[in-house]
Amino acid sequence: AQSVTQLGSHVSVSEGALVLLRCNYSSSVPPYLFWYVQYPNQGLQLLLKYTSAATLVKGINGFEAEFKKSETSFHLTKPSAHMSDAAEYFCAVSEGNQGGKLIFGQGTELSVKP
Amino acid sequence: KAGVTQTPRYLIKTRGQQVTLSCSPISGHRSVSWYQQTPGQGLQFLFEYFSETQRNKGNFPGRFSGRQFSNSRSEMNVSTLELGDSALYLCASSLVSGGAEQYFGPGTRLTVT
Repeated sequence: AQSVTQLGSHVSVSEGALVLLRCNYSSSVPPYLFWYVQYPNQGLQLLLKYTSAATLVKGINGFEAEFKKSETSFHLTKPSAHMSDAAEYFCAVSEGNQGGKLIFGQGTELSVKP
Repeated sequence: KAGVTQTPRYLIKTRGQQVTLSCSPISGHRSVSWYQQTPGQGLQFLFEYFSETQRNKGNFPGRFSGRQFSNSRSEMNVSTLELGDSALYLCASSLVSGGAEQYFGPGTRLTVT
């Protein structure tokens, strides 16, 4: 069965510091992996998607994620945090044979200190 | 292109009532998925519709149902509302089913009193 674990429900960084949000998954088949961001009172916005074309995936707003099969991880990083990055981030996994079903992690709330 | 739209944005209902939520996908998208978001359970998959057929269903009681129309617009219905149904209901659309990027609407905030 698919599952997603996000380590750390809250992460706090200083503006300009590295952002690292951790995600581990389990899947019985090669997965599709996603990172989404949610700002207060809004829906989810797609940051990036892994589809096996490349292990390092670049997304919007300077975010990127690296797929590591041996570690079953898909951590999200950004070299320099900006105040506008403060939001909740969700990692999700999908198995192609499950149609459009996304399994989400519990989310990580990112705070950015000035 | 216009994004995914959901109506209404906010809804207050009483226990025992029923409610219908609507979702219009991005033009050309044929798959619509629904999710429930609560502080305690997080984001949970409800069901997916593709070309008017339910492709997959999450672990929710039969009070939760949905449908998709020929223009890909989708509705979900919750009957006999319970307090625990209070949540943000999110709709997402994608071009195809299975591994495609899903684009989310702003959600409908349902409060059951």
